[in-house]
This record gives sequence, C-alpha cells and structure tokens, in this order.
Amino acid sequence: ETGVTQSPTHLIKTRGQQVTLRCSSQSGHNTVSWYQQALGQGPQFIFQYYREEENGRGNFPPRFSGLQFPNYSSELNVNALELDDSALYLCASSFDPGGSTDTQYFGPGTRLTVL
Amino acid sequence: LAKTTQPISMDSYEGQEVNITCSHNNIATNDYITWYQQFPSQGPRFIIQGYKTKVTNEVASLFIPADRKSSTLSLPRVSLSDTAVYYCLVGDWYSSASKIIFGSGTRLSIRP
Repeated sequence: ETGVTQSPTHLIKTRGQQVTLRCSSQSGHNTVSWYQQALGQGPQFIFQYYREEENGRGNFPPRFSGLQFPNYSSELNVNALELDDSALYLCASSFDPGGSTDTQYFGPGTRLTVL
Repeated sequence: LAKTTQPISMDSYEGQEVNITCSHNNIATNDYITWYQQFPSQGPRFIIQGYKTKVTNEVASLFIPADRKSSTLSLPRVSLSDTAVYYCLVGDWYSSASKIIFGSGTRLSIRP
C-alpha cells in the first residue's frame, strides 16, 4: 500500500505568478483534502474533493482552486500569488467521506515560498 | 464549531510517560477525537482516534471520560524521537471536514 505523495517538495515563485501543486492519494482512497500550514501554526483546511467534485471549502479566496482526476489524484492551483501564500501545503487522503470512523492521512507537503 | 484547547508546550525526559490533555467542551454527539503528531517540514501523522472510554494502539493510549469534554493522549516511555508537535482535533470528518480545526498544537520536547 503506497502512502500519500506530493510534488514538488519545494517551490519558489514570485508575487503575481501562478502555481500548481500535485498530490497522489493513498491506494484505495477516493477523497482528497488540501491544507495550508503557515510557519508555527496548525494546518488550515482549504477544500476537499470526493470523486472529482468539491465537497467542502474553507475560508480561502477563489484564486485557490482544485481538481481531482479519475484516478483520485489531485491538483491545487493558486493564482496571483501573494507573499502570505508562502506556506507548507499539505494534501490528505481518506477512504470515503461517508464514514465517521475513518480519518485522513497526510502527505509530506510542498513548501511554497513566494518572493 | 468544536474547539480544542491544549497546552502550548511540554517538556519531559526519555523513558518517562507523557500525558497531554485536550479540552473540548463543545464536542458534539457525532464527533470523534483524533490526535496527530507532526515533525518539522513534514505532514501530520495519525496517532490515534477514539469516541469514548479508552483506546490503545502500538504507539499511544487515548483516555476519554464519560462526559467527553476532554481527552488525554498518553505516550509511554518517550524517546528523543517523540519530540514533535501534537494536535488534538474533534469532529466528524466526513459530514463537516471543513469544520475540523487544527489549533496550534502542543510542542513536546524530550530531553536525554
């Protein structure tokens, strides 16, 4: 069973640019959630995808968007990057949003630096 | 929203048992209690999850009193590698994933 993987591991961009981060979910999982973690803080929920549809969104502006593919991998896109977007971006996968006893398994994250 | 309160930091020594308590006074009937461990620049790692009473796995125990308004993560015989941030979360992941909030966690430091 493979775990959650993310790419790239590190990324440097400048203000105003666009970025795409990628996530492969754990084998057998069909739900992917994305989180932003600023330095010294806990992860903040961005949104969740279940079977290619958005299934909940946190308090993030529309320039944060996502996709989930038929193989349940996912992308996070951020447009018009701002300095405050510098953070560790985490992807988490889970089996199914209908089961309350399941939990989420996190990838290693992508460190995004915006200059 | 179920909010959690836990100590900002704790110190202990190798070989000791460490107990981290989390308060969650507004926990809902369908909410579960989940603990994660996070090392610097890594994603959180699932430790343990429970609903009531006591849950034990190979790395930790979770004690939950009858009123479920708090929970205690117990790490037996800690080592230096247990130095990390520990997060307590409450919620029903899949009916309200967007409402499960990570706080700032408890920074645990283990000394030789």
